[in-house]
Amino acid sequence: NAGVTQTPKFRVLKTGQSMTLLCAQDMNHEYMYWYRQDPGMGLRLIHYSVGEGTTAKGEVPDGYNVSRLKKQNFLLGLESAAPSQTSVYFCASTDWETQYFGPGTRLLVL
Amino acid sequence: GENVEQHPSTLSVQEGDSAVIKCTYSDSASNYFPWYKQELGKGPQLIIDIRSNVGEKKDQRIAVTLNKTAKHFSLHITETQPEDSAVYFCAVLAAGNKLTFGGGTRVLVKP
Repeated sequence: NAGVTQTPKFRVLKTGQSMTLLCAQDMNHEYMYWYRQDPGMGLRLIHYSVGEGTTAKGEVPDGYNVSRLKKQNFLLGLESAAPSQTSVYFCASTDWETQYFGPGTRLLVL
Repeated sequence: GENVEQHPSTLSVQEGDSAVIKCTYSDSASNYFPWYKQELGKGPQLIIDIRSNVGEKKDQRIAVTLNKTAKHFSLHITETQPEDSAVYFCAVLAAGNKLTFGGGTRVLVKP
């Protein structure tokens, strides 16, 4: 039981490049979330999903898109990366209240 | 939406002393309050949580208290040890099963 996994662990992008972050969970959870963590600002919700095929906007959705084609996977996409998207990205999942987090993806946009 | 404030932002304690972190929230309908610990380079991990029908909950050296009337809750760590050094986040479950996090408290336990 791996819990929540994220790939890649670290990535460097140039401004304007695109990439997809993958989150996978093996706990059969319905809810999945993408957060970003910036110094001194805690975790902020980007997008979330309440089940396969659904997505919804969180607190800071601009510049990101998501997809939940399979229950166990939640993808976060950056179509045209900007330096302001330099951050650590965490995925989480839950069956109701307690959220379980992945190890994070560190993204640097130059 | 929900607003969560967490204090202090940094906390330095001597090993063996107690540490207390406080959070306030705005939505009186909130009823689930977890605390997460984040070690360097890792994702947040749940350490304790409390629901609105309970005023206090303990798990070994950690405890959480909740005052729903005043809309604040606190994390208490007793007999602190060096491995307690980390960043701690409070959170509140808001409508739509979404967590709103406090800004975090960096705890340093000095040996």
